[in-house]
Amino acid sequence: QVQLQESGPGLVKPSETLSLTCSVSGGSISGYYWSWIRQPPGKGLEWIGYIYYRGSTTNNPSLNSRVTLSVDASKNQFSLNLNSVTAADTATYYCARGYRYSAGYYNFDYWGQGTRVTVSS
Amino acid sequence: DIQMTQSPSSLSASVGDRVTITCRASQSIDTYLNWYQQKPGKAPNLLIYAASTLQSGVPSRFSGSGSGTEFTLSISSLQPEDSATYYCQQSYSTPWTFGQGTKVEIK
Repeated sequence: QVQLQESGPGLVKPSETLSLTCSVSGGSISGYYWSWIRQPPGKGLEWIGYIYYRGSTTNNPSLNSRVTLSVDASKNQFSLNLNSVTAADTATYYCARGYRYSAGYYNFDYWGQGTRVTVSS
Repeated sequence: DIQMTQSPSSLSASVGDRVTITCRASQSIDTYLNWYQQKPGKAPNLLIYAASTLQSGVPSRFSGSGSGTEFTLSISSLQPEDSATYYCQQSYSTPWTFGQGTKVEIK
């Protein structure tokens, strides 16, 4: 059974960089599109971006210039860096596996439990 | 960006009722539409993909239909464990976007 686990600081100061890592177990990182998705308190879901296991990325333009995604296939991990954070970036951050089940068709079939990140001084 | 709009935002129904949630896309997305269930404090869980295909392990009382711009998620006989928030999500084009969610409560 594939499992994902987010790790990283729960508190980040304004203007600093939020850094999270997702560790994948029970399956290979190869062949999938690994995403970050966030959910502000009491609100809906926002897709941040994905990194293909080979390293290519696609980000949400609403965050594009602040987001860096990376992957370490040797460790079965991928990471998110979000710079210049503000209080608006306070959210639960989820990592998820993007599965391409047919040409152009993707879904998020496995999710981490989520990690709450608060931006505050 | 493709906007996804769900209705209603919330509903309350009795055990055994049939429940239907609608999701509308701001442009045609063919059947590039997924549905997720999220319970409080938990990550979302994939229910349906490609608009109508049931994910493995999901009870058969859940079903999805639609194509183009209008989609529905139905629960044929509502159970207490179905109390949750449901989200639609399009994968037709990036940025992938979600609906705002529909909260289902049990009377």
